[in-house]
Amino acid sequence: QVQLQESGPGLVQPSQTLSLTCTVSGGSIRSPDYFWSWIRQPPGKGLEWIGYFQYPGSTYYNPSLKSRVTISVDTSKNQFSLKLSSVTAADTAVYYCAGPTNSELDSWGQGTLVTVSS
Amino acid sequence: QSVLTQPPSASGTPGQRVTISCSGSSSNIGINYVYWYQHLPGTAPKLLIYGTNQRPSGVPDRFAGSKSGTSASLAISGLRSEDEADYYCAVWDDSLSGRVFGGGTKLTVL
Repeated sequence: QVQLQESGPGLVQPSQTLSLTCTVSGGSIRSPDYFWSWIRQPPGKGLEWIGYFQYPGSTYYNPSLKSRVTISVDTSKNQFSLKLSSVTAADTAVYYCAGPTNSELDSWGQGTLVTVSS
Repeated sequence: QSVLTQPPSASGTPGQRVTISCSGSSSNIGINYVYWYQHLPGTAPKLLIYGTNQRPSGVPDRFAGSKSGTSASLAISGLRSEDEADYYCAVWDDSLSGRVFGGGTKLTVL
């Protein structure tokens, strides 16, 4: 069974860049058949898809976030990462990594709360 | 406002059958597979249905997904107290070139 774990700062200052990493175990992010996702849930709201990555180098982003989002991968560590620039309070949310998306094996990490505040 | 419309709430008593709807359009549900997730607050969301009507290993057959035109449904039969959770539909939208989630439905077991 695939397991995922998010890591990164829980507090980010406004206008700075949010950076999170997802470590994957029990599955390889190098499989070209799978997508690896980032999703977020603002407090009291529903789930919002941020984007996903498909090895070796295809990325797909939410159009509303596309100008600020970068998803990258480190195959040597079986990790993929999220960078969200120019954050505001509206980016405060629980951030989840998940994958392999669009398959029966789709699993999610426990999520990590990121607060944008000075 | 989400591209996919779900009722904000649903309820039922133990043993009942409940259905949660997810309304979309010809650019998403009409042409792509639908996915359903169960989310208990504070935990990782869990995949319930993939490929519109397929259950992953370990998901009981009390959960069933279906689609008709531009709407999809999740049916839960033999309702149990542990089914009380938030449920989300998800699908790829060809017009947006992105994945979209429904707004979520909070299921209460009375």
